[in-house]
Amino acid sequence: SQELEQSPQSLIVQEGKNLTINCTSSKTLYGLYWYKQKYGEGLIFLMMLQKGGEEKSHEKITAKLDEKKQQSSLHITASQPSHAGIYLCGGDYYGNKLVFGAGTILRVKS
Amino acid sequence: DTGVSQDPRHKITKRGQNVTFRCDPISEHNRLYWYRQTLGQGPEFLTYFQNEAQLEKSRLLSDRFSAERPKGSFSTLEIQRTEQGDSAMYLCASSLGTGGRTEAFFGQGTRLTVV
Repeated sequence: SQELEQSPQSLIVQEGKNLTINCTSSKTLYGLYWYKQKYGEGLIFLMMLQKGGEEKSHEKITAKLDEKKQQSSLHITASQPSHAGIYLCGGDYYGNKLVFGAGTILRVKS
Repeated sequence: DTGVSQDPRHKITKRGQNVTFRCDPISEHNRLYWYRQTLGQGPEFLTYFQNEAQLEKSRLLSDRFSAERPKGSFSTLEIQRTEQGDSAMYLCASSLGTGGRTEAFFGQGTRLTVV
């Protein structure tokens, strides 16, 4: 979408390495959602962030929403092959729907 | 099964035929969404229901597309006179709307191929 830009588009990391995926919005977000998708399958909910400065963690994945609520980062610590997939950020702009970025393809080499 | 269920998972149809997809949301969820996803892109919003009322439709939802949620439970998405450009993954999601925002859970999607 034009509202949300994800970077990088894709990355390949060695198993055990850390990585960060960024999601930048062109306007202020009400909330920011992170999902993971395996090729050809549905989206798996990871985390929802609503407050500026909020940070949430689940297992080895941490997501933050900056104070101005226009950028979020997803950080994976000590990556594993199970982390491979497509990571999507979805922006809530005070509407009834999420607007998604194009996704970041993550490959983890063993 | 407590997740969002979509049927069928895959559909191959000839151009010009009509197709219908079904979505069963998580039982207590009052909000239901349809999205479309093409290769290499994120999902794009199509339409949104709160209970049985269709409250928002995207410009992407041409007059060949119609969605219903007759009793506020399951929903159907019908595409009439399919075109090759309709080939995509159609995703359904549901959430519990109580005034605040809650996470939306997605189904596994229906992959449509128009030949």
